[in-house]
Amino acid sequence: GIQVEQSPPDLILQEGANSTLRCNFSDSVNNLQWFHQNPWGQLINLFYIPSGTKQNGRLSATTVATERYSLLYISSSQTTDSGVYFCAVVYGGATNKLIFGTGTLLAVQP
Amino acid sequence: DAMVIQNPRYQVTQFGKPVTLSCSQTLNHNVMYWYQQKSSQAPKLLFHYYDKDFNNEADTPDNFQSRRPNTSFCFLDIRSPGLGDAAMYLCATGKTGATDTQYFGPGTRLTVL
Repeated sequence: GIQVEQSPPDLILQEGANSTLRCNFSDSVNNLQWFHQNPWGQLINLFYIPSGTKQNGRLSATTVATERYSLLYISSSQTTDSGVYFCAVVYGGATNKLIFGTGTLLAVQP
Repeated sequence: DAMVIQNPRYQVTQFGKPVTLSCSQTLNHNVMYWYQQKSSQAPKLLFHYYDKDFNNEADTPDNFQSRRPNTSFCFLDIRSPGLGDAAMYLCATGKTGATDTQYFGPGTRLTVL
């Protein structure tokens, strides 16, 4: 099956710092999503990004499908950015099933 | 606001005692998913409904069942919970087609004593 690996597994930042999270996947996929899971377990959609670049405030994402990777950029990090970041690849035809990556645990310190 | 609701948010059950988790949605999405997320792991798909059609993942234990009585509601039944079934259970919804994302509920955290 498809393997989805994320790096780094853990990251500690000082507030205000920038970071790049990476997602590699082993096969062609229909699409890709980035999620933030907050400390209470809620998964929040960040981006749905099959290719190209999208930006939303301090966050942006780039997917290069032909090279099977995606990047999530966080600029000017805040303590509220803490949590686990997952990428998930979409497969399964019309029903868009997700396979989640291994996750990156981010801690932003004040 | 349109949303995905899960009840209860926290559920405690005893080893072997059946338990049912509930999910409802106001998004009118035709696909509903159940994921299991164990501590420090990624969510893992258990099964999904495409309209009324039930689709089980190959490695989902028989102990897990699901019901979808109508478009809005979906239930996860664990027939005989074991200690290894303690986890966060996440419900998600989506629409068919490659341009739509999945929307997740807040999850139910299950404890098995």
